Order: sequence, then structure tokens, then C-alpha cells
Amino acid sequence: NAGVTQTPKFQVLKTGQSMTLQCAQDMNHNSMYWYRQDPGMGLRLIYYSASEGTTDKGEVPNGYNVSRLNKREFSLRLESAAPSQTSVYFCASSAGTTSNGYTFGSGTRLTVV
Amino acid sequence: AQSVTQLDSQVPVFEEAPVELRCNYSSSVSVYLFWYVQYPNQGLQLLLKYLSGSTLVKGINGFEAEFNKSQTSFHLRKPSVHISDTAEYFCAVTHPGYSTLTFGKGTMLLVSP
Repeated sequence: NAGVTQTPKFQVLKTGQSMTLQCAQDMNHNSMYWYRQDPGMGLRLIYYSASEGTTDKGEVPNGYNVSRLNKREFSLRLESAAPSQTSVYFCASSAGTTSNGYTFGSGTRLTVV
Repeated sequence: AQSVTQLDSQVPVFEEAPVELRCNYSSSVSVYLFWYVQYPNQGLQLLLKYLSGSTLVKGINGFEAEFNKSQTSFHLRKPSVHISDTAEYFCAVTHPGYSTLTFGKGTMLLVSP
């Protein structure tokens, strides 16, 4: 049971570099989410995809783009990384109704220097 | 907009003592409420959830929570904690038909011998 798989687990970027964080789920879930976690700030929603083919902004979308590649995969792209994007990024998925809650990946720890 | 307030950022407690982690939400309509646990360097795992019905909800690892509509609270309790319960705990809220969860800022439970 893989659940939600995130790659990479760790990454160091220089300011201005770009990268894509990958997320895949094998539970046939309709909805997928990207959150960032910062000390004292809890989890803040960056983008989400309620179903294949749709994406919507969350609370903190600036500086990010997403792609729902297919039902399984939802990627997060940083086009020009900034130190303020240093964070732990979590991908999550749900069956389509939030009454089931989310299943989370193990996270990507990103440092921008 | 929905919001969640976790009143304590840290709760220190001795092993085998009882603990209560507080969560208040803001909403005047029906809510779904969740508690998640995050062990060090891991993703979030669902502890328990309230959707409807009995206001006392039992979860994994001996935790329980009580939904109090008049107080708009969903406090998490455990009668006797173990060292292994040391983790960060997040309360989350959503509404029927909503696409996303809103998380609190988290409470770090520190259990010492």
C-alpha cells in the first residue's frame, strides 16, 4: 500500500532556480492537494485539484504553479525559487468528499539559499 | 470563511498523566472536524473525525474528542499518555460540500518520563 508518494524527499535550491515537486497516489482518489508547513503557521493550502482536469488556488498560491497530469499525479512547480519558499511541502489526496479527510504523503523538505 | 484555533502551541506533560489539546472553530453551519497527528519527520495521520451523531468520538491510540456545538469546540483527550505520543497534533475543519480542509497551527505534545 504505497498511498501518496512524494519525490524528492529533500532538495536544496539556489535563489532563482526552478524545480518540480512530484506527487502520485494509487488509491483512485479524485481530489489532490498541495500544502506547505512552516513553524508556527500550521498547514496552508497552495493549490488543489478537486477532480482530474481542474485546479484551483488556495490560500498561498503566489510563486507556484500546478499540473494535474492525470488522475494519479499532481505536480507543484516553483518557476523561480525564493528563500521565502523554504518549507516542508505536503501532498494529500481524498476520495472526493472531504468527509473522509485526507491521506498525506511524507513530505518534501525544500531549502532555498 | 472557516477557521480553526488551537489555543496552545505546546503542551508539556508527564508520562501516564491525562492530557487535553484544545481546538475551537468558527462556523455557524454544519461542520466536519478532524484531528491529525504528525510524528517527527513524517506526514500527517488521521486520529479521528466527527461528521455527525454521537458527540464523543473515539480514535486510534486511545485518543478521543468531544464535539461541543454551543462552545464551537472539538477538544482532544487521552486519559494516560505515553512517551510515544510525543508529536504535533493538528485540528482541521470543513463543511459538507466543501472541497478543502482548513488546519489549525498545531499543538506540540511533549511527554516526558
